[in-house]
Amino acid sequence: AQSVTQLDSQVPVFEEAPVELRCNYSSSVSVYLFWYVQYPNQGLQLLLKYLSGSTLVKGINGFEAEFNKSQTSFHLRKPSVHISDTAEYFCALSRGQAGTALIFGKGTTLSVSS
Amino acid sequence: GAVVSQHPSWVICKSGTSVKIECRSLDFQATTMFWYRQFPKQSLMLMATSNEGSKATYEQGVEKDKFLINHASLTLSTLTVTSAHPEDSSFYICSARDPSYEQYFGPGTRLTVT
Repeated sequence: AQSVTQLDSQVPVFEEAPVELRCNYSSSVSVYLFWYVQYPNQGLQLLLKYLSGSTLVKGINGFEAEFNKSQTSFHLRKPSVHISDTAEYFCALSRGQAGTALIFGKGTTLSVSS
Repeated sequence: GAVVSQHPSWVICKSGTSVKIECRSLDFQATTMFWYRQFPKQSLMLMATSNEGSKATYEQGVEKDKFLINHASLTLSTLTVTSAHPEDSSFYICSARDPSYEQYFGPGTRLTVT
């Protein structure tokens, strides 16, 4: 069975500090991996995705993630966060080929303070 | 980018009544749409896969007679919660898949059953 584990439920950080949100996955087949951000009472916005190719993926808003097959991880990073980055972040895995339903982790709340 | 809308954004209904939620792809055709449910402070769980012109595929544990899904056109899928109860209160999010297999999420519908 496929699954996604987000290791931190909450990550507090000060503005302009770097941040890493951790995501591990389990799958017996090739995977497609995604990071989404959700602001309060809103839907999901795609930050970045890994389908194939370069293991370092750059996304919107200065975020990037690195796919590590040996460690089955897909951690999200940003070198300097802003107050506006405060939101819920979800790591997700595609159940099969691209475009199939997603399996989500439980989410990580990123709280950026000044 | 592609836009997916949901209507209504927030609905309050009385226990025992039915409520319909619409999911529309505004600028692309979506043969497949997905319906997710999100409880407060929790992750998204796939409820069903909606395919245009055919019956929806429900996830294990989701009552198909309670959560009626109709995908009558390439731009519209509806989720009807029948005989709603307070435990059906949740945030319902749809996603639509475009012809290139990219998924786009709607803004969500918050259902409160009193």
